[in-house]
Amino acid sequence: GAVVSQHPSRVICKSGTSVKIECRSLDFQATTMFWYRQFPKQSLMLMATSNEGSKATYEQGVEKDKFLINHASLTLSTLTVTSAHPEDSSFYICSAGRDRRNQPQHFGDGTRLSIL
Amino acid sequence: EDQVTQSPEALRLQEGESSSLNCSYTVSGLRGLFWYRQDPGKGPEFLFTLYSAGEEKEKERLKATLTKKESFLHITAPKPEDSATYLCAVQAPAGNKLTFGGGTRVLVKP
Repeated sequence: GAVVSQHPSRVICKSGTSVKIECRSLDFQATTMFWYRQFPKQSLMLMATSNEGSKATYEQGVEKDKFLINHASLTLSTLTVTSAHPEDSSFYICSAGRDRRNQPQHFGDGTRLSIL
Repeated sequence: EDQVTQSPEALRLQEGESSSLNCSYTVSGLRGLFWYRQDPGKGPEFLFTLYSAGEEKEKERLKATLTKKESFLHITAPKPEDSATYLCAVQAPAGNKLTFGGGTRVLVKP
């Protein structure tokens, strides 16, 4: 199956730090990448959708100035959590997809973010 | 608004004890229904895509089926390695966003 690489897998940092997470589609060109947040024992909550070369579309309630998304190429999207605070601690997962009917999204292995 | 409800929330099975997971959905025109498996601390792993009512897909001990209102994931003679959270998601006609259900946590005991 398709491979999506997410890095880093785990981050522990102090409150106020900005953290960048990378998501790479390794074997196909992803027209769209998605960023999700997952709380313990809960399902995935979509945060934003990013298309290569255009601004990301954020879901309701997600602060775009807090969660900066850049999709510079068809194989790379980044999520930057700016001035992170303990309440931003979570499991962040990216996925990559092609805009074709029935094409599945393929997910990275997630980033566990812990803000002290 | 698209809605996906999965049941049960958790399922404990003995090895070899077959069972089914349910995914009920409400969507304004289904573009696709997807099943994923998620292991702890990992991202979801794609299992199946279903589009048409009556469609079935199989992979090893798993079989997914689809009706106009729900999908089932049947696990036949499960093994401990089938323990995971199984997620169901629907894709609406506009765009390719997925709406996920809450998942079913499956534990298969030897």
